[in-house]
Amino acid sequence: DGGITQSPKYLFRKEGQNVTLSCEQNLNHDAMYWYRQDPGQGLRLIYYSQIVNDFQKGDIAEGYSVSREKKESFPLTVTSAQKNPTAFYLCASSLYDTVDGEQFFGPGTRLTVL
Amino acid sequence: LAKTTQPISMDSYEGQEVNITCSHNNIATNDYITWYQQFPSQGPRFIIQGYKTKVTNEVASLFIPADRKSSTLSLPRVSLSDTAVYYCLVGDVQGSARQLTFGSGTQLTVLP
Repeated sequence: DGGITQSPKYLFRKEGQNVTLSCEQNLNHDAMYWYRQDPGQGLRLIYYSQIVNDFQKGDIAEGYSVSREKKESFPLTVTSAQKNPTAFYLCASSLYDTVDGEQFFGPGTRLTVL
Repeated sequence: LAKTTQPISMDSYEGQEVNITCSHNNIATNDYITWYQQFPSQGPRFIIQGYKTKVTNEVASLFIPADRKSSTLSLPRVSLSDTAVYYCLVGDVQGSARQLTFGSGTQLTVLP
């Protein structure tokens, strides 16, 4: 089955720890995205990648880092510099980074900082 | 960038047609209109996209008037499972998808 997967579904972290969220897609999509969603709010773009080995900051990149070493993988690291990391994190991919391209979203990772 | 305005919430009953309107007064010539649906604790799902007039697929219709300053997502005969948040997004088809903004959306609640 083709799709986009995220792991883990739930993640708990102590303050001061870095944590990496996994995102994998087997859709052969060039573009991948990371969003953050807070309760009752819309999605905010953290980072996006138009092609392998390249990525760009989104609207709220501070305290986050990404890598895109493989086309199918776009892991997100939430660093200790992120002041309020508790949120729902969504990864998405699309064939190309275009407005008229459908974005396919993963099931999300809910991160809680204890 | 075109800004969108949607109602915060709407209620409907099963079997009714639901129309959710999105205002985008400063839409640009190359902007496309896209709608997504999101269930709780899930990622959004693409519903429909259009540029002008009417677009229809197996789940919804999208009506766009000639001035394109608004658009209406129409869901025929809704069921309880259509309870979700619906997002209207506007973006330049020649630009990156990073310009698409998922605002707070419209919370649709379908009642029995």
